[in-house]
Amino acid sequence: AQTVTQSQPEMSVQEAETVTLSCTYDTSESDYYLFWYKQPPSRQMILVIRQEAYKQQNATENRFSVNFQKAAKSFSLKISDSQLGDAAMYFCAYRSQYDKVIFGPGTSLSVIP
Amino acid sequence: GAVVSQHPSRVICKSGTSVKIECRSLDFQATTMFWYRQFPKKSLMLMATSNEGSKATYEQGVEKDKFLINHASLTLSTLTVTSAHPEDSSFYICSARLPAGLARYEQYFGPGTRLTVT
Repeated sequence: AQTVTQSQPEMSVQEAETVTLSCTYDTSESDYYLFWYKQPPSRQMILVIRQEAYKQQNATENRFSVNFQKAAKSFSLKISDSQLGDAAMYFCAYRSQYDKVIFGPGTSLSVIP
Repeated sequence: GAVVSQHPSRVICKSGTSVKIECRSLDFQATTMFWYRQFPKKSLMLMATSNEGSKATYEQGVEKDKFLINHASLTLSTLTVTSAHPEDSSFYICSARLPAGLARYEQYFGPGTRLTVT
């Protein structure tokens, strides 16, 4: 069975600085997807970024980028130029090609003005 | 992107009663929907996979007689918490999966339903 681990329950970052959230996963599959979701206080799940395992190039979405290391089964999220609105719970998630999404335990990110 | 709605957003019910939560895909047809439960400051826990026109597949440890799931149409799945007790109080989130061939099975999440059982 696949598992997703986030070793940082809480992180904080100064406004305008950069922060990296860690995620590791375990799978025996070769084709899968990895995601970072943001959950603000409203509790709505927001997709931040997506990475297909077959793509070697790291995904980027504006201030958000990932470091995908397939052999190491590592998938970290880098947030550049942090903003107050980035404060939220961040969940790393795994999905095999046709199956359900499995979430990590989450990292609570605080942004310090 | 695709939109998924949930109704109600909040519900309070008395212990022993049943409550139904609806999950709708507003602008696409979803043959598969998922139901999650989230405790405060915890991650999302998958409860069941709901397939249109067939029985739901429940995750280990989830009581199927307590959490009834019906996926009667391609845009609607319902979760009924039967004989609710205070320990069923939680945040319930659904997600809907795009059909085969589109965006490689991307899923979209509803805004969630906060259930409080008194």
